[in-house]
Amino acid sequence: ILNVEQSPQSLHVQEGDSTNFTCSFPSSNFYALHWYRWETAKSPEALFVMTLNGDEKKKGRISATLNTKEGYSYLYIKGSQPEDSATYLCAFTNDYKLSFGAGTTVTVRA
Amino acid sequence: KAGVTQTPRYLIKTRGQQVTLSCSPISGHRSVSWYQQTPGQGLQFLFEYFSETQRNKGNFPGRFSGRQFSNSRSEMNVSTLELGDSALYLCASSPGQGVGNQPQHFGDGTRLSIL
Repeated sequence: ILNVEQSPQSLHVQEGDSTNFTCSFPSSNFYALHWYRWETAKSPEALFVMTLNGDEKKKGRISATLNTKEGYSYLYIKGSQPEDSATYLCAFTNDYKLSFGAGTTVTVRA
Repeated sequence: KAGVTQTPRYLIKTRGQQVTLSCSPISGHRSVSWYQQTPGQGLQFLFEYFSETQRNKGNFPGRFSGRQFSNSRSEMNVSTLELGDSALYLCASSPGQGVGNQPQHFGDGTRLSIL
């Protein structure tokens, strides 16, 4: 069993504020770290696939960093908007399967 | 380009019955993975199929099985349904074998309720 932990479980952000949250994963046998956004009543949407230590990826106002040596990744949302409200999932993979964390649910208040 | 299509969207069964769920991947995608989400649990990996072969299986009992056809469409079967099988079942597709550095494209899921 691959232990992937996300914290916090949920957070509330005021519109316009920036926020970040964490994904912790096993640092051994690392292959890749995925981030997905899952909005209510929709399907999970891929945000990033990160493979290299020190990797930084950006998509609009959302960015992510990766530290494979210590086993963590941060996801940042800059200037949160109501449409950013969703559950953000990270998933660790050894190539054969994705092991998901329980997610961080972000609620952006207008 | 059509996305991943799962049918049916909702299903109600009773204990002891069996059920078959279907997943049509994005055109050109040859890998299909299945996941289960139950209340309070993250997405749990069931299995992955590539080129009609099961490549990897998660920690689920033998009641959970699947197959993939030559057109890459996949079906998942659960026999002797139990109350704990009530869940959202998601499938995801990607072009090549393995899920390592390929983003997964998810369907909307099939919500299965067991009475």
